Amino acid sequence: NAGVTQTPKFQVLKTGQSMTLQCAQDMNHEYMSWYRQDPGMGLRLIHYSVGAGITDQGEVPNGYNVSRSTTEDFPLRLLSAAPSQTSVYFCASRLIAGANVLTFGAGSRLTVL
Amino acid sequence: AQSVTQLDSHVSVSEGTPVLLRCNYSSSYSPSLFWYVQHPNKGLQLLLKYTSAATLVKGINGFEAEFKKSETSFHLTKPSAHMSDAAEYFCVVSDFGSNSGYALNFGKGTSLLVTP
Repeated sequence: NAGVTQTPKFQVLKTGQSMTLQCAQDMNHEYMSWYRQDPGMGLRLIHYSVGAGITDQGEVPNGYNVSRSTTEDFPLRLLSAAPSQTSVYFCASRLIAGANVLTFGAGSRLTVL
Repeated sequence: AQSVTQLDSHVSVSEGTPVLLRCNYSSSYSPSLFWYVQHPNKGLQLLLKYTSAATLVKGINGFEAEFKKSETSFHLTKPSAHMSDAAEYFCVVSDFGSNSGYALNFGKGTSLLVTP
């Protein structure tokens, strides 16, 4: 089925560990983004990309790295996890042209102990 | 820069009564506005969007929203609530016409509780 696929769905890390959240879409969307969702905070943009080789920071980029080597994939890396990064992470994508809506993945719940 | 404020963090209604979820926005350009719904432990789903066409926008599941430029509002309504409407609702704004228009700004969400 077409859409945005996120893996893993759940992950528990210890402080200082590193990991990568994977995001892939098969809709040929130029724009891809990562959000984190915390209670009472809505969704906050971490990083986004408007095409392969182009990334930019969002509202809360510290502690996260991204790359966009292909149109389909947009992984989010935590180099040294901290308890403050405990959250639910959503990847979303859309076509750039026009006011096209975001298509969201199902989310990845990360707990950092 | 654009921003959005959802005026109520929690709304409780009885089944069969009207729903009103309030959203105010600020934007330097002609904004595009969206409402998304998130059911428990699920991803976000688009309810409706406004993109400078008709000011009254109809969405899925009987929801609609009216864009009022003079009031900078985009409130979400439904005439009769159903138990399945219980969810978190997010108002979203984007200035697609601006240089920073790639990003969408989310409100903090309104949790809708529907009681029997």
